[in-house]
Amino acid sequence: AQSVTQLDSHVSVSEGTPVLLRCNYSSSYSPSLFWYVQHPNKGLQLLLKYTSAATLVKGINGFEAEFKKSETSFHLTKPSAHMSDAAEYFCVVSALYNFNKFYFGSGTKLNVKP
Amino acid sequence: EAQVTQNPRYLITVTGKKLTVTCSQNMNHEYMSWYRQDPGLGLRQIYYSMNVEVTDKGDVPEGYKVSRKEKRNFPLILESPSPNQTSLYFCASSQNPNSNQPQHFGDGTRLSIL
Repeated sequence: AQSVTQLDSHVSVSEGTPVLLRCNYSSSYSPSLFWYVQHPNKGLQLLLKYTSAATLVKGINGFEAEFKKSETSFHLTKPSAHMSDAAEYFCVVSALYNFNKFYFGSGTKLNVKP
Repeated sequence: EAQVTQNPRYLITVTGKKLTVTCSQNMNHEYMSWYRQDPGLGLRQIYYSMNVEVTDKGDVPEGYKVSRKEKRNFPLILESPSPNQTSLYFCASSQNPNSNQPQHFGDGTRLSIL
């Protein structure tokens, strides 16, 4: 089965500093990859998705992610953190041979300090 | 407004008492899915449906049933709930995940099985 590893369960940054949330996936091919954000007591919202059109994917709220096949990574970055970015972030991969099945990472909680 | 609506939002019940969590979407989406979220595990897919009368198992289907009699509704049924099904549940819908379309999530249902 596919798997997704989010390397940090918690990340803490100061407002205005860069954000890096790491995600590695297991796959022998290029899957569909997504990043979702979950604010407290809310459902998940799509930040960005990788569709094989470009390795650098831009999403909402200034986030972007780079697909690196050689490293099987899809790390999420943002140049300057904002207080409103504090949330939990999930890296998601579609299943091999079945784009109807999805595997979520265990999540990274981002804390933004003033 | 495009949305996925889950009911109830919160439920405390007892072991063995059948319950249904409803999910409805107003976007005419073909694909719908149920997930459970547990601390440290991210979201795990329970069941999904590609269209009316077409459902399939996700990663953790044991103890759950679903049905898709209409396009807009995808209820999750726990015939005989047990304490290990205490969790936060999310319903999601998508136009077509095969086209990398994003999933839209409901706000979640928190179930406590005593």
